[in-house]
Amino acid sequence: EAGVAQSPRYKIIEKRQSVAFWCNPISGHATLYWYQQILGQGPKLLIQFQNNGVVDDSQLPKDRFSAERLKGVDSTLKIQPAKLEDSAVYLCASSSPSGGQEDTQYFGPGTRLTVL
Amino acid sequence: AQSVTQPDIHITVSEGASLELRCNYSYGATPYLFWYVQSPGQGLQLLLKYFSGDTLVQGIKGFEAEFKRSQSSFNLRKPSVHWSDAAEYFCAVGPPWGYQKVTFGIGTKLQVIP
Repeated sequence: EAGVAQSPRYKIIEKRQSVAFWCNPISGHATLYWYQQILGQGPKLLIQFQNNGVVDDSQLPKDRFSAERLKGVDSTLKIQPAKLEDSAVYLCASSSPSGGQEDTQYFGPGTRLTVL
Repeated sequence: AQSVTQPDIHITVSEGASLELRCNYSYGATPYLFWYVQSPGQGLQLLLKYFSGDTLVQGIKGFEAEFKRSQSSFNLRKPSVHWSDAAEYFCAVGPPWGYQKVTFGIGTKLQVIP
């Protein structure tokens, strides 16, 4: 079974530029999560999708971050414009089938973003 | 609000020695509890989880954890550490209902010396 795929693996941009990350979850997984992991901290949930609907985006900085999950499969996370404090690893995870507590989250390798 | 404390940021153990990583949580009821491991350049992998029932939980790679309600703790243990266990370990807590909104601790980095 293929795991969660993310691209790119690394990205370096200047502040105020835009960047987008892509995630392909495990086939059949209805729930998809985006986390931000700043160096020295644990992952923080940014947004959770159930199929293509948003379940929780309470910690997503909506003035600059956006995410979508078209057709309930792949997802993209965008930052526009980026700030220095956005430097972090962005992790995508997926779970199935209900997104409830019993479901195990499977994580991708992450995208390491550096904002200069 | 739920929160997790991992008091040890770095731990160094000798290969073959026993290991215990500490985790304390704050939550109004008995939460769901998780331990994840993250190797360099990798995503997180679930080691074990506690929902209810037996308070001693067995996980993958020879790890176990014990839920102690009176101490609000969920410590991770391994009787004999291997060099490949060197990684960062995250404790996490989630509400016992609804969807899985997990709060992670800051992690404990484990170094294994020969």
